[in-house]
Amino acid sequence: GESVGLHLPTLSVQEGDNSIINCAYSNSASDYFIWYKQESGKGPQFIIDIRSNMDKRQGQRVTVLLNKTVKHLSLQIAATQPGDSAVYFCAPSAPNNAGNMLTFGGGTRLMVKP
Amino acid sequence: DAGVIQSPRHEVTEMGQEVTLRCKPISGHDYLFWYRQTMMRGLELLIYFNNNVPIDDSGMPEDRFSAKMPNASFSTLKIQPSEPRDSAVYFCASSPGVDPNQPQHFGDGTRLSIL
Repeated sequence: GESVGLHLPTLSVQEGDNSIINCAYSNSASDYFIWYKQESGKGPQFIIDIRSNMDKRQGQRVTVLLNKTVKHLSLQIAATQPGDSAVYFCAPSAPNNAGNMLTFGGGTRLMVKP
Repeated sequence: DAGVIQSPRHEVTEMGQEVTLRCKPISGHDYLFWYRQTMMRGLELLIYFNNNVPIDDSGMPEDRFSAKMPNASFSTLKIQPSEPRDSAVYFCASSPGVDPNQPQHFGDGTRLSIL
């Protein structure tokens, strides 16, 4: 029968290349953004965050870029390694009646080819 | 450092049975969150607590689901009676401080299968 479910965008890169994973958000009031990495059989793992008063933040091998004008952020991974293979989620912080809460998109699957 | 600890890691049970999932947050974290992850809907927030008090349970699917946090180091998510459509991976997460604009730290989840 037909399989119905979330269709995860997939990015396939060669080991050693740089990866860029993109995320669009809709709520212009979002003021805090987190990137998570989820490996098979594990929970999402915090990678890097950025607040809306910044447009770039760098970590170890990772860089997040934020463009509030077009409500877009990206995660750049330098020198991608097989261990980077996972699903990546961006999580903007959006206000609701109970306060600011993270919302998770569907994720992007990164596959690293040796 | 001990992260968020969830138990059991896997649970298989028959429909109609009561299921209890357990979570120990990171010590000192004031916020605790329960999520459900499925292929159909991705990661969904079910409920969250601040200082052991439920703040927003609007994501709890129906009355069969309940969550408690009797103290700062323990929370449970209970499903009674369970149904096959409850099959999913359930994650617990915690975050520090009084401002929810801080990273949530996730456990490795409980994979629940209802037959």
